[in-house]
Amino acid sequence: GAGVSQSPSNKVTEKGKDVELRCDPISGHTALYWYRQRLGQGLEFLIYFQGNSAPDKSGLPSDRFSAERTGESVSTLTIQRTQQEDSAVYLCASSYGQGAGYTFGSGTRLTVV
Amino acid sequence: GENVEQHPSTLSVQEGDSAVIKCTYSDSASNYFPWYKQELGKGPQLIIDIRSNVGEKKDQRIAVTLNKTAKHFSLHITETQPEDSAVYFCAATPRGGTSYGKLTFGQGTILTVHP
Repeated sequence: GAGVSQSPSNKVTEKGKDVELRCDPISGHTALYWYRQRLGQGLEFLIYFQGNSAPDKSGLPSDRFSAERTGESVSTLTIQRTQQEDSAVYLCASSYGQGAGYTFGSGTRLTVV
Repeated sequence: GENVEQHPSTLSVQEGDSAVIKCTYSDSASNYFPWYKQELGKGPQLIIDIRSNVGEKKDQRIAVTLNKTAKHFSLHITETQPEDSAVYFCAATPRGGTSYGKLTFGQGTILTVHP
């Protein structure tokens, strides 16, 4: 597609449930990033995939968070045993290489009730 | 790691006035500085960027300046229009090392342009 696609656009889940968020990057973009944006806040780095290199997981807030990427395509961010503080917009971005500008998706708004 | 500070947090201007948003960064190895505009309910969109080998870049009503010595960079919007109202984020990333390619963002500036 022409842009970064994220699904679902909105997700409401009960506390304690697991959720899976999906990101389809722009074709040919080797780098993929996940960020979290709490209401009225800046962008908090979560994880970064670059080609076949080991991902940079330094931003994941706890072991309840994990992410995978299949080659240079789709990525999924999984949050296990969701907590209310996980409520945020989760943004995915891709770029054609390190040091290049990101293209962001529209995000997944996660609400944990 | 890199730390980016952005000011002001909110900025209100009249249509036609100029708006300036400033950012400072901590890592002298940073060499790429993009600016993003985020409208309500949407993801951030890249509007302009600058690399450390230049001091200024302009694109129509938008310009960015970079002072490597002082480690700060600024976004300038001239002849502001109501559609410029949005949240603006600055960011920085180093040339190499383990953080290469990973953007660190400022906290954002809410710009409101009054007609």
